[in-house]
Amino acid sequence: GDSVTQMEGPVTLSEEAFLTINCTYTATGYPSLFWYVQYPGEGLQLLLKATKADDKGSNKGFEATYRKETTSFHLEKGSVQVSDSAVYFCALSDGSSSGYALNFGKGTSLLVTP
Amino acid sequence: DGGITQSPKYLFRKEGQNVTLSCEQNLNHDAMYWYRQDPGQGLRLIYYSQIVNDFQKGDIAEGYSVSREKKESFPLTVTSAQKNPTAFYLCASSIRRAETQYFGPGTRLLVL
Repeated sequence: GDSVTQMEGPVTLSEEAFLTINCTYTATGYPSLFWYVQYPGEGLQLLLKATKADDKGSNKGFEATYRKETTSFHLEKGSVQVSDSAVYFCALSDGSSSGYALNFGKGTSLLVTP
Repeated sequence: DGGITQSPKYLFRKEGQNVTLSCEQNLNHDAMYWYRQDPGQGLRLIYYSQIVNDFQKGDIAEGYSVSREKKESFPLTVTSAQKNPTAFYLCASSIRRAETQYFGPGTRLLVL
């Protein structure tokens, strides 16, 4: 079945450092790919998405490119801020999952220090 | 403002008690979902509904029940059959299936 694998955290960076969070997936179809962010005690917020190969999703300085050849959707940001501290979830959705429900990775915790 | 609301923010359950978590959306979305989040884990699907008066079991439906009598509302009942209910419960909706899902703020359920 479908699955998503994320790099394990926690990831600790200094402010203005470059961020990469790796995400790879296994899917039988042609999934849509998502990054969601969760701040402490809150629900998930959509950060960005890509629906087909070579699409690049971007939002708030974050980017991720849908790479079908490497089955990856790595999240990047050129210069992180303290306010980016949160848990980041990679997820996929395709017709093989119940009602196109999201299939999530386990999340990567990011801590940015001043 | 359009959005998804969940209540209460915190809920306490006694042994043998059924409790109901509320999820309401005013986005005119057809599809709604319930997920469970455990510490250090991703989210797992409990139930989903693609249209009013229809719902389907997800991966971990045992010990839970839902209803979808109105388009705006998708309440989740955690029954006494759910032996390990302590978790963070998240409701999501999308305009229709296969579209982007948006999440509510969540309800944290604790057992007394």
